[in-house]
Amino acid sequence: GAVVSQHPSRVICKSGTSVKIECRSLDFQATTMFWYRQFPKKSLMLMATSNEGSKATYEQGVEKDKFLINHASLTLSTLTVTSAHPEDSSFYICSARRGSGIIGEQYFGPGTRLTVT
Amino acid sequence: TQLLEQSPQFLSIQEGENLTVYCNSSSVFSSLQWYRQEPGEGPVLLVTVVTGGEVKKLKRLTFQFGDARKDSSLHITAAQPGDTGLYLCAGALDNTDKLIFGTGTRLQVFP
Repeated sequence: GAVVSQHPSRVICKSGTSVKIECRSLDFQATTMFWYRQFPKKSLMLMATSNEGSKATYEQGVEKDKFLINHASLTLSTLTVTSAHPEDSSFYICSARRGSGIIGEQYFGPGTRLTVT
Repeated sequence: TQLLEQSPQFLSIQEGENLTVYCNSSSVFSSLQWYRQEPGEGPVLLVTVVTGGEVKKLKRLTFQFGDARKDSSLHITAAQPGDTGLYLCAGALDNTDKLIFGTGTRLQVFP
C-alpha cells in the first residue's frame, strides 16, 4: 500500500495566527511531496512541490513567505500558513510520490480543512 | 490555463446505467491518472495509464488512454450508488512528477 496521513484533519484559527499542517507517508519513503488547495466543488490546484532536503518550488501566484513548506525527511513535509486570513480558509491536501513509482503517480492524504475566523 | 477538460461536469443517473467520462487535452502526457474523491476526503488513486492506446480494467471500471496520449476516458458499467463521487483525471507533463488536474466530473448514482 501507499498510505499518506495528514494532521490535523480540521483546524480553526483566528485571523493573524499561524497554522502548521503535517503530511506523512506511512509505509514508503516519499522523494517528493506536493501541496494542493481545493475550493468548494472545484478541482485541485497545485501550490508547491516539496523535495526532501531542498527548498520547495512554488507555483505562480502562491506566496512562498505566506505558505512555508519544510520537507525535513523522506516521510514528512509540513505546510505552515503564516498570518492566516479568512481568505486562506480552504481544504489543503498533500500528496506523495514513491521514489520507484511511475512518474506522475501520487498518493493523497485525507486533507485538512482550515477555517480562519 | 486549464489544460485538462473533463466532460460532463455533472452526471446524475440511476443505478444500473452505464456512463463514460472524458478527459481531453491538447498536451501530451507522460502518464495519466484517474482519481475518485468523496466529500471531505483526499483523492484516491484508481489507475495510472502510461502507454498510448492502453486499456485497463478495474472491476466495472474501464480506463483508456488515447493513442496520442492526449486524452483518456473512464467507462463505468452498471453504476452503483457507491460509485458516487468526484472523478478527477490528472496528467503528468514532460516527464515531470507535477500533475495537472482535470476540471472534474461529479457523479451521482441514485438507487
